[in-house]
Amino acid sequence: SQTIHQWPATLVQPVGSPLSLECTVEGTSNPNLYWYRQAAGRGLQLLFYSVGIGQISSEVPQNLSASRPQDRQFILSSKKLLLSDSGFYLCAWRTIGGYSGNTIYFGEGSWLTVV
Amino acid sequence: SQQGEEDPQALSIQEGENATMNCSYKTSINNLQWYRQNSGRGLVHLILIRSNEREKHSGRLRVTLDTSKKSSSLLITASRAADTASYFCLTGAGSYQLTFGKGTKLSVIP
Repeated sequence: SQTIHQWPATLVQPVGSPLSLECTVEGTSNPNLYWYRQAAGRGLQLLFYSVGIGQISSEVPQNLSASRPQDRQFILSSKKLLLSDSGFYLCAWRTIGGYSGNTIYFGEGSWLTVV
Repeated sequence: SQQGEEDPQALSIQEGENATMNCSYKTSINNLQWYRQNSGRGLVHLILIRSNEREKHSGRLRVTLDTSKKSSSLLITASRAADTASYFCLTGAGSYQLTFGKGTKLSVIP
């Protein structure tokens, strides 16, 4: 069965420090991968998506970046965090095709507090 | 990109009552899905309805789709405190950009 792992679950980082959130998927190949951010009590904002290794599409220009060094690995990074980067970050994946081909599976999320 | 908008933004009901929330969208779709998010957790897929379907059931969930009105509704019957969560719809039309609305925050009071 497919699983998704996202870490770390919680982190507190000072302004100006770097960030690395990692997400890996098991049990599937060539998934579409997604990073979302959710501010407190708000909806989900799509940050990045990837349809293949090395391919990244950015939805919102900001000081965050994403990389996909392997088929089932998706990394969210920042060189210098801002206070506004605080939020709940969710990694997600889906496969293409089939009746449930659009179903998205989410990780448990990473709580980031920038202080 | 496709995006559904949920309505109402917040809903508070007593345990045992039915909860209905709606999703409206603007362009043609292949399918529509509903997700639930418990506080501080990732989203969980609830149900998918295809564009050629009008109604679908899963346990206490009933989803309807009206493509002429570009809207869907999610009905939760005999609600329980454990149904307290935010609910999101997601429209599918072959795009890689999967965007969610702001969701409906459901509170079920014991």
